[in-house]
This record gives sequence, structure tokens and C-alpha cells, in this order.
Amino acid sequence: AQSVAQPEDQVNVAEGNPLTVKCTYSVSGNPYLFWYVQYPNRGLQFLLKYITGDNLVKGSYGFEAEFNKSQTSFHLKKPSALVSDSALYFCAVRDPKGTYKYIFGTGTRLKVLA
Amino acid sequence: GAGVSQSPSNKVTEKGKDVELRCDPISGHTALYWYRQSLGQGLEFLIYFQGNSAPDKSGLPSDRFSAERTGGSVSTLTIQRTQQEDSAVYLCASSPPGRADTQYFGPGTRLTVL
Repeated sequence: AQSVAQPEDQVNVAEGNPLTVKCTYSVSGNPYLFWYVQYPNRGLQFLLKYITGDNLVKGSYGFEAEFNKSQTSFHLKKPSALVSDSALYFCAVRDPKGTYKYIFGTGTRLKVLA
Repeated sequence: GAGVSQSPSNKVTEKGKDVELRCDPISGHTALYWYRQSLGQGLEFLIYFQGNSAPDKSGLPSDRFSAERTGGSVSTLTIQRTQQEDSAVYLCASSPPGRADTQYFGPGTRLTVL
């Protein structure tokens, strides 16, 4: 069965420091992977996706994620965190051989401290 | 342009009552998704519509839940005989043709069942 795990409920990082939000998945074959962000009192917003090709994917707001097939991971990263990056981040996966049924992780709350 | 809109934004109902939640997707978007976001449980896929194809209803948790999409646009999620465990935020998302993997989310409807 497909699954996504976000092992950290919360990540704290100082402003200006690099940040990483972790995601691992379990899908047979080659998955499609996604990151979404939910800012306070706002809807979920698409950040980036991995479909195929280069393992390093660049997305909105300076975020990037690296697909690692051997470790079945798709960690979200940013070289220098901003206070405004504080939000709830969701990783999601879809089996491209299946329907458009996405499996979302439970979310990681990122808090960037000034 | 206008984003995905959902109504009502908040709904409080009594156990056993039926509720209808509405989603207006972005104009021209052919794919429409419903999710349920419960505290600490991430997003749970409910149903997916794509154009005139039969919807993927595999995520609906019970036969009390149903959804329809009229004219390929507006969608209504109906929950019959609501239970307290139905309390959650119900999110709708839509995707444009050819980009079904990029979802645009609405603000959600917060349902509280007393």
C-alpha cells in the first residue's frame, strides 16, 4: 500500500540557517512526489513536484527538494530560512500507474525563529 | 483571477443531520478533488472528478458520504446522518487540463458536528 511519512511534527530553525523538512514514502515503482505549504489562515499552496528527470527539483519561494530513490525520500530544503517560511508543510505521493489518488503526509510545522 | 471557493466557510450541525458542502473550482479546470483534513491526520483523499469520466470514489469513508459534480463545474459533497467523527476541515482542489498534478486548493469548510 502507498504511504507517506513525515517523521517530524515540528521543526524549529533560526532565520538565515538552512532548513530541511523530511519526507519518506512507500510506493511501488517510480512515484510522483509533491510538497504543499499551508500558511496560517490560508489555503494549501503547491510548492514543487517531482515527476521524472533531475533528482533536484526547484520550486516556489526558494524551496527545493531532492528525490532519493535508494532512501525513498523527498526532503524539502531551503538554503536560508525566513521568518515568513513558518507554516505547515505537507508531502504527498501518487502512484502514476494508478488514479489521481494522492496520499498526503500528516504535515510538519516549520517555525523559523528571528 | 478567482481561485477555488468553498461554502460555507464554517458549518455547525447536530449529530444525525445532513450537510451539503459546496466547491466552485477555478473556471476551466477539469479535475476536482475533495479531501478531509483532521487534526493531526493530514489530508485524507475522498473523491476525484476528471471531466466526464466516472469519479474515483475510493476514498469516501462510508456510504453516508457522496459527491456530485454538475456540468463539469460546481461540486457538492453531501454527508448524511452526520457523526461527531465527521468533524474536520473539508478541502476542495481543482487542476487545469493537462496539469492534473498541480492542485489549487480552496480555503476549506470547517465542519463541526455537535
